[in-house]
Amino acid sequence: KAGVTQTPRYLIKTRGQQVTLSCSPISGHRSVSWYQQTPGQGLQFLFEYFSETQRNKGNFPGRFSGRQFSNSRSEMNVSTLELGDSALYLCASSAGLAGGDTQYFGPGTRLTVL
Amino acid sequence: QKEVEQNSGPLSVPEGAIASLNCTYSDRVSQSFFWYRQYSGKSPELIMSIYSNGDKEDGRFTAQLNKASQYVSLLIRDSQPSDSATYLCAFSRMDSSYKLIFGSGTRLLVRP
Repeated sequence: KAGVTQTPRYLIKTRGQQVTLSCSPISGHRSVSWYQQTPGQGLQFLFEYFSETQRNKGNFPGRFSGRQFSNSRSEMNVSTLELGDSALYLCASSAGLAGGDTQYFGPGTRLTVL
Repeated sequence: QKEVEQNSGPLSVPEGAIASLNCTYSDRVSQSFFWYRQYSGKSPELIMSIYSNGDKEDGRFTAQLNKASQYVSLLIRDSQPSDSATYLCAFSRMDSSYKLIFGSGTRLLVRP
C-alpha cells in the first residue's frame, strides 16, 4: 500500500505571498490532519478533515485554511505569508472512524518564507 | 504547565544497552498514546500505540502506560546506532480524539 504523499516537498516564498500544499492519504483512509513543525514550537496541530468536513481545528490564525476533496485528498492554504510561517508542514492520514486512530505521516513540505 | 513533558536530552547510551524514554502528560481524560521516531530532516514514523494501562511489547520496543500517574514510557532493548533519533510522545483526548498533542521530543544517541 502506498504511503502518504505530499507535494511539493520544498517551497520558497516571500512575505505576503500565499501558498497551497497538497496531501494524498493512504488508500482507504478518510481522515487527513495537518501539523506545523518548527524548532521553537515543536509539532502543532492545525486542523483535521474527514469526508470533506473539518472536525477539529488548532489555534492558528485564519490565514491558515484547508479543505478536503471527495477522494480524501486534502490541501492547506496559507495566505499573506509571514517569516514565522517557515516550517515543516506535515500531513497525517488515518482511517478516521474511531477516536484515537493511529496517524501516519507523510514526508512533509518544507516551506521557507523570505 | 506544558500538556506533554519530555526530557529533551540528549540521552546517550552504549550500543546494546536499554534506552528508557519517559513522558508525562497533564490531561486526565487522555485516551490514546503514541510513540513516534523522527530522524533528522525526516517526518515522524510511528513506533507504537498504547491505549490501556500496562505494558505493550513489539520486538525490541516496550511501551508502558500508567494513567493514574499520567506517565508513559518507551524502552528500547539492545539499542543500535540506527536507533539514534528524536523520540516524540503524543496523546489524544477523548473530546478531540483526532488531534494529537506532541511533546517536544527526546534526542537519543546510541554510541557504537
